[in-house]
Amino acid sequence: NAGVTQTPKFRILKIGQSMTLQCTQDMNHNYMYWYRQDPGMGLKLIYYSVGAGITDKGEVPNGYNVSRSTTEDFPLRLELAAPSQTSVYFCASSLAAYEQYFGPGTRLTVT
Amino acid sequence: GQQVMQIPQYQHVQEGEDFTTYCNSSTTLSNIQWYKQRPGGHPVFLIQLVKSGEVKKQKRLTFQFGEAKKNSSLHITATQTTDVGTYFCAGDNTGTASKLTFGTGTRLQVTL
Repeated sequence: NAGVTQTPKFRILKIGQSMTLQCTQDMNHNYMYWYRQDPGMGLKLIYYSVGAGITDKGEVPNGYNVSRSTTEDFPLRLELAAPSQTSVYFCASSLAAYEQYFGPGTRLTVT
Repeated sequence: GQQVMQIPQYQHVQEGEDFTTYCNSSTTLSNIQWYKQRPGGHPVFLIQLVKSGEVKKQKRLTFQFGEAKKNSSLHITATQTTDVGTYFCAGDNTGTASKLTFGTGTRLQVTL
């Protein structure tokens, strides 16, 4: 099992560009999550999904979009990137609402 | 919205000393989870507490959930250099544990 994988590991975007952060899990988990972590801070929930076709907003959803067409994949879309979106993005998954397994993260810089 | 604060923000101890981090929520929690994040790494799940007054132990780590379910603590006995990292509590007040609010974290540094 690879667990939770994220691509890319690093990315630099110019202001106004768009990109998709990929997240895949091979544990057949129903629940998936996207968090952002700013330097020296805790994690903030962006979006989450309790199953294919179902998504819901977290604490900081503005500027992001998600989709969940399969159990395995939960991509995060950034439209019109802004410097405030510079952060480390973590994807996570869980079997029901319990222990969350995190991916290695994507470090994004918007300049 | 729900806020979860942790103190201290940072602690530096000598190896062998004890360490405690405290987690306080602005709302009553259904459950609380603890995670550890090594420098440059991703959060790794340690434990979940769900009952008022619950105490759980994992080797040198002791976790407590307050009677009012608004606070929690993590105590490490006789720290080792492998304990270095940031410890986060994460609480949920929806009863589903699917919408966790992470605390601000306590960064632990351990030196010989």
